[in-house]
This record gives sequence, C-alpha cells and structure tokens, in this order.
Amino acid sequence: QKEVEQDPGPLSVPEGAIVSLNCTYSNSAFQYFMWYRQYSRKGPELLMYTYSSGNKEDGRFTAQVDKSSKYISLFIRDSQPSDSATYLCVMSTTQGGSEKLVFGKGTKLTVNP
Amino acid sequence: DGGITQSPKYLFRKEGQNVTLSCEQNLNHDAMYWYRQDPGQGLRLIYYSQIVNDFQKGDIAEGYSVSREKKESFPLTVTSAQKNPTAFYLCASKKGTGGNQPQHFGDGTRLSIL
Repeated sequence: QKEVEQDPGPLSVPEGAIVSLNCTYSNSAFQYFMWYRQYSRKGPELLMYTYSSGNKEDGRFTAQVDKSSKYISLFIRDSQPSDSATYLCVMSTTQGGSEKLVFGKGTKLTVNP
Repeated sequence: DGGITQSPKYLFRKEGQNVTLSCEQNLNHDAMYWYRQDPGQGLRLIYYSQIVNDFQKGDIAEGYSVSREKKESFPLTVTSAQKNPTAFYLCASKKGTGGNQPQHFGDGTRLSIL
C-alpha cells in the first residue's frame, strides 16, 4: 500500500462550482498536512498547512483532516478559472530528529469559464 | 522581495557533460532541498541540507552532487553519471529542520538532453 494516495484526475468543473480534492494515507505517524498549488512550469505554492484533525479555512479554501480515517481534503468554494492548476497533498512527520515528507502525485484541476 | 531563486529556468545538457543548477534563498531558512519532478510522479527527494557544510542523500541521489558552503545557496550538479536527467528540478527551503514548518519552493529549472 502506498503511503499517500491521490487521484490524479483530471478534474474538470464549471466556474463557480465547489471542488473537493482528496488524499488518503497509510502512515499514522504523519502529523502535518499541507496542500500546495502548482501552476504549469512553476514551483508548488503553499496553500494550506494544518496539524490537527478538523477544519481550517482561508478565504475560499478549506482544508479538512480526519486522522481517524487517514483522510484529508481540500475544498475550493466558488471556483475560478485561475484555480486551474495541479494540487499536491503533502504529509510529514519527524522521526529520529529528521523530517519525513511524502508527496501525493497531484490532481490536475481545470475550471471552465 | 524574499524568496527562492532558481536559475536558469531552462537548461540543456550534452552527452558526458556536467551541469549545475543554482538555488539561492534570502529567507534566512536553515534547511534546503532538491527535488526532481517527472510527469505523473510525485516529487522525489535528491539531496537535502539542514546546516551549512552538511548535506544528506535523499531517495534518488545517484548521479547528482551538491554543496552547501553558504546558508543562502545550495547548488545541484547533475553529473554525466545520471543517465536520465530530463526532468523538472525544484529547490525548496524551510525554517528549522523539523516537520512543524512547511517547505517553500522556487519556480524550478527544466533540464533537457540535447
């Protein structure tokens, strides 16, 4: 079983739709959960960073972590064409003083005007 | 403007040639990282450095080398021993070395074979 599973899509939605992006993981030691947005030919940009189970909201973006189910989500409300990008989920933990970071493969999202 | 600067944006390598990718940060971050990104694959860690003059191999270090002579700089050399170097290379940095700080990325260098 892979440590992090992320549906690669592609996902295509109309402008204004609510988008749900998800990742599952198998390593219960993961403590920190991140979502990055990556535009074509650019580096990943940090969108959300969470530690505990529950929801964290930032503008149109909500990150949700369910540690009991080993499941994280990113919701985008009122999606815009500028949200078209690849979204990466990333999880990390500290083991023996060093960080272990695992990236999902990314979900490609297109928001159509 | 604080950030991570990678150069060049595009780079071409001839057979048997070593090439060096530059990564500079002015965020006063302690740790720096190099990743390789291939289509349909997650980011894979090449090398990382948590402190000046020290660095560790990541998951795919073969055919690559790094140095960390200054806190701000972490250049990556792709040697001729790397037989499949065509990829998008990303440099990242973060404050501290534990998992409680997120990494921040540069805008990458795309390396191709001539």
